Amino acid sequence: AQSVTQLGSHVSVSEGALVLLRCNYSSSVPPYLFWYVQYPNQGLQLLLKYTSAATLVKGINGFEAEFKKSETSFHLTKPSAHMSDAAEYFCAVSDNTNAGKSTFGDGTTLTVKP
Amino acid sequence: EAGVTQSPTHLIKTRGQQATLRCSPISGHTSVYWYQQALGLGLQFLLWYDEGEERNRGNFPPRFSGRQFPNYSSELNVNALELEDSALYLCASSLSGRGTQETQYFGPGTRLLVL
Repeated sequence: AQSVTQLGSHVSVSEGALVLLRCNYSSSVPPYLFWYVQYPNQGLQLLLKYTSAATLVKGINGFEAEFKKSETSFHLTKPSAHMSDAAEYFCAVSDNTNAGKSTFGDGTTLTVKP
Repeated sequence: EAGVTQSPTHLIKTRGQQATLRCSPISGHTSVYWYQQALGLGLQFLLWYDEGEERNRGNFPPRFSGRQFPNYSSELNVNALELEDSALYLCASSLSGRGTQETQYFGPGTRLLVL
């Protein structure tokens, strides 16, 4: 069975500071991992995904994530936070044992202080 | 290129009624996914349709059902509504039926309120 744990339901950073959102996963087979962002009253937008190619994945809006198999982690980072990054972020995992199903974490709300 | 569209944006029903939610995928996409985002429960996978067939479903009772039409649009039906069905229902589409690693593109959702 697959599962995702996002550590920290709320993260607050100052504008210009490093953003680090944590995600740990569990999967019995090689996983596919995703980060999505959700702005208020909108659907989810894909930031980046890992599908067993390079372990460091670069996404949109300056975000990147590193797949670490030994730590079963896929943390999302951005060197310098912008006010526009304030949103809710979801980590998701899928694998070939349960086709079409993505399992999402509970989400992390990012607040960016001026 | 138009994104995933969902209708209606808001829906208010009373307990025991039926709700029908609609989703139009991105042009050229054959797979449609439905998710429930309830307060405090996160995003839960509901259903996956591809090429008109139900391919997978999450851990939801049979009163949650749906279908996919020949033009790949989809309907989600919720029968015998219960208060806890109140949630944001998100539809997503992907290019093909490979499913697992496909990028899913999400619509804005339908907010269902059951009174």
